[in-house]
Amino acid sequence: GAVVSQHPSWVICKSGTSVKIECRSLDFQATTMFWYRQFPKQSLMLMATSNEGSKATYEQGVEKDKFLINHASLTLSTLTVTSAHPEDSSFYICSARGARTDNSPLHFGNGTRLTVT
Amino acid sequence: LAKTTQPISMDSYEGQEVNITCSHNNIATNDYITWYQQFPSQGPRFIIQGYKTKVTNEVASLFIPADRKSSTLSLPRVSLSDTAVYYCLVGAFYSSASKIIFGSGTRLSIRP
Repeated sequence: GAVVSQHPSWVICKSGTSVKIECRSLDFQATTMFWYRQFPKQSLMLMATSNEGSKATYEQGVEKDKFLINHASLTLSTLTVTSAHPEDSSFYICSARGARTDNSPLHFGNGTRLTVT
Repeated sequence: LAKTTQPISMDSYEGQEVNITCSHNNIATNDYITWYQQFPSQGPRFIIQGYKTKVTNEVASLFIPADRKSSTLSLPRVSLSDTAVYYCLVGAFYSSASKIIFGSGTRLSIRP
């Protein structure tokens, strides 16, 4: 089945630095990728939707200059948390959707735990 | 994307059948119903998907009434390893205009 790989699985960084998270679709071409953030004991919150070759669409309240999303190829999207602060510490999850016209379910990456010190 | 409502939490015991119901009153004609399971510090894992009536796979069954305004995930003979959060999602996932929004999910706790 479709596999989505996220890297790294966890990262610790110092306040003020930037961190890049990669999301890859391993066996299909992902025309759309979704980025989520999840705080402890809460549900997944959609941050942005990225379509290959175009700018990402951010949800209300998500700073596009802070959370930079690049979807330059059909198998890779990246989320860069710029000038990270402790409040950005969270679990970040990506999901990918292919170009198929049937209703195949989405598959999710295993998430990235970001800790900003 | 149709809004979903699920119980916040449920408890059960090993070996029991567990049924989790999801309400989605505003489901659209093209929408499918998909259930995911999430363990702590992991991404959601696909369990089952359906459009109407009943769907069964090796891990679960999904019951959808004729009006499709609700659905029930049935987990037969649960074990401790089924302790997780279960999410019901409704939408036309193939549509480029469809955003995938998660509801609150149901936190299932299985006891020995």
